[in-house]
Amino acid sequence: SAVISQKPSRDICQRGTSLTIQCQVDSQVTMMFWYRQQPGQSLTLIATANQGSEATYESGFVIDKFPISRPNLTFSTLTVSNMSPEDSSIYLCSVEVGREGEKLFFGSGTQLSVL
Amino acid sequence: SQQGEEDPQALSIQEGENATMNCSYKTSINNLQWYRQNSGRGLVHLILIRSNEREKHSGRLRVTLDTSKKSSSLLITASRAADTASYFCATASDRDDKIIFGKGTRLHILP
Repeated sequence: SAVISQKPSRDICQRGTSLTIQCQVDSQVTMMFWYRQQPGQSLTLIATANQGSEATYESGFVIDKFPISRPNLTFSTLTVSNMSPEDSSIYLCSVEVGREGEKLFFGSGTQLSVL
Repeated sequence: SQQGEEDPQALSIQEGENATMNCSYKTSINNLQWYRQNSGRGLVHLILIRSNEREKHSGRLRVTLDTSKKSSSLLITASRAADTASYFCATASDRDDKIIFGKGTRLHILP
């Protein structure tokens, strides 16, 4: 299993500013995943973060808008840049433990509201 | 892209009754998983069923998988108030193991 500490848990931000979300895992993991969940919707994968390499972004998400850092095997950050009200969502980090594609553990999420 | 489609979108039942949620998907998979989310927070993994399995049990949960119909169901027996949550199916593609989530079912257990 894995315990993930994600912060902040919520924030209210002004349009045009940036917010960095931190994700700390209690064990070393190869891949960390960042998801977005818009209000009342399902989870959409933003990017996969591997330690020591550039993150891999899904269609519709770009590095300039969502820069990701992965300095070591237990930590990652996601920045939501130049925010607009459309960025209001829950952002979740997650990790896989065990076989690839089998089980995700999630942080408690960051609820972001952009005014 | 969205893979799973759950139905119903929302379900309200009396405490003690059984709740059934369904999930359909589009592509070939290695496995299908069900997750629970309370109040828009982090998801919790409930159960995984592999593509070569047809049924799996875990406590009050029963999951079925029909790969010919590309569908799965999650049954929660003897529901409790604490089961009130959103439930998501998620599939791991047999091409890249990427886990893709469905739209979810909001389950509300009435006292």
